[in-house]
Amino acid sequence: GAGVSQSPSNKVTEKGKDVELRCDPISGHTALYWYRQSLGQGLEFLIYFQGNSAPDKSGLPSDRFSAERTGGSVSTLTIQRTQQEDSAVYLCASSFQVGEGETQYFGPGTRLLVL
Amino acid sequence: QKEVEQNSGPLSVPEGAIASLNCTYSDRGSQSFFWYRQYSGKSPELIMSIYSNGDKEDGRFTAQLNKASQYVSLLIRDSQPSDSATYLCAVYAGNNRKLIWGLGTSLAVNP
Repeated sequence: GAGVSQSPSNKVTEKGKDVELRCDPISGHTALYWYRQSLGQGLEFLIYFQGNSAPDKSGLPSDRFSAERTGGSVSTLTIQRTQQEDSAVYLCASSFQVGEGETQYFGPGTRLLVL
Repeated sequence: QKEVEQNSGPLSVPEGAIASLNCTYSDRGSQSFFWYRQYSGKSPELIMSIYSNGDKEDGRFTAQLNKASQYVSLLIRDSQPSDSATYLCAVYAGNNRKLIWGLGTSLAVNP
């Protein structure tokens, strides 16, 4: 079946603008994760969803970041009033369910550049 | 102490050699361990998962887990230039059982 898809693949925006990043998980996967990876850095956890609920939002860097998931499927990560330090690759992953041992499968990422 | 630690590298090995990648973790209660490979400009892809002490082999890859010493390693036999990538170790750990990621080890296999 299809893997995790993300759109857009690349996004260039001006400082202060809002952006929306979309993630479409593997069909049947109830868990969905957002990560951020800056150039040459490790994965930074942002938020995860179990169904439509987000039990752990601890990784969101500031209140400019928000995410939602509807219908237990597609998720949107929104960054308001973007700053240059938001430039990074935003990765989405999904797993069959949340829990010990569940393998996460990644999408291709959205490369965000804030000018 | 970081929860999951890896040597950043770069680790350089000649083609055909064995590459050994190591990862240590701090949560003694961890039960699930993963190795992902990330090519430059690409997203991470799963290589292997391991849950029990000992070795687990899959083709040229062998994962080794030692819970008493709190380390997990990945051996790549007959290394190929196409194995050149960053290898990420991930461990389910912490009170909220979240997947914790190491920063990765960069591997270069030289022809």
